[in-house]
Amino acid sequence: QVQLQQWGAGLVKPSETLSLTCAVYGGSFTGYSWNWIRQPPGKGLEWIGEIDHSGSATYNPSLKSRLTISLDSSRSQVSLNLSSVTAADTAVYYCARAYVVAVPIIRLWGFDPWGQGTLVTVSS
Amino acid sequence: DIQMTQSPSSLAASVGDRVAITCRASQSISNYLNWYQQKPGKAPNLLIYAASSLKSGVPSRFSGSGSGTDFTLTISSLQPEDFATYYCQQTYSPPRTFGQGTKVEIK
Repeated sequence: QVQLQQWGAGLVKPSETLSLTCAVYGGSFTGYSWNWIRQPPGKGLEWIGEIDHSGSATYNPSLKSRLTISLDSSRSQVSLNLSSVTAADTAVYYCARAYVVAVPIIRLWGFDPWGQGTLVTVSS
Repeated sequence: DIQMTQSPSSLAASVGDRVAITCRASQSISNYLNWYQQKPGKAPNLLIYAASSLKSGVPSRFSGSGSGTDFTLTISSLQPEDFATYYCQQTYSPPRTFGQGTKVEIK
C-alpha cells in the first residue's frame, strides 16, 4: 500500500520561497506521474504541476515562472518550490500519484493516493 | 486549457435519494475523467477513474458514465457518509483541471 507523507514550512513571508517535500513509502516511481495540487481556504482544487520518474516536469502555465518541481529517486521524494509568494498562494498543498496511461502526450488515470495536505500561510 | 464545468454547484438531498452530478469539458477528453469525494479537512479521495471505472473499495452505489465532453456521477442511494463535496477532473492533457465542485448537503 503506497503512502505519501508531506512536510514543509507552514508560514512563509511574502516574496520568499515556499518549499514542500513529499515522501513516497511502499511504491516505485516508475510508471507514475507525481503531482502537486493546492486548495485555497474554502475554495476548489488547482493543479500545480507534475513530474515523471525520469524527472521531466510539466507546470501549470499560471505558476510556471515561479515553480520548480524536482524528484530524488534515491530518497523516494518529490519536492515543490514556489518563489516570490504572495497572500494568493495561501492554501493547503497536496501531493498525489497518478498512473501514466499513454505517452508521449502524457495521459493519466486518477490521482491516488494523496498526501495528508500541508497548510501554507503567506504572511509577514 | 480545458475548462471543466460541474452542475449543480450544490444540492440538498435525503438519505436514500438518487443523486446525479454532471461535468462538461470544453473540448473532448475521451474518457480521461475522474471523480473525487472530499470531506472537510481531508484530502480528496478518488472514486471513479477513466469515466466509469470504480476504484477498488469504493461502494457500488457510486457509478460514472460518459465520454467525450459530457460525464455524470451517480449515487444510487445516498448514505449519511456521502454528504461531501465532489469534484471532476480531466487528466487528458495538462493543466489537469478540476471542476469547481458540487456540495451535497442534507435536506
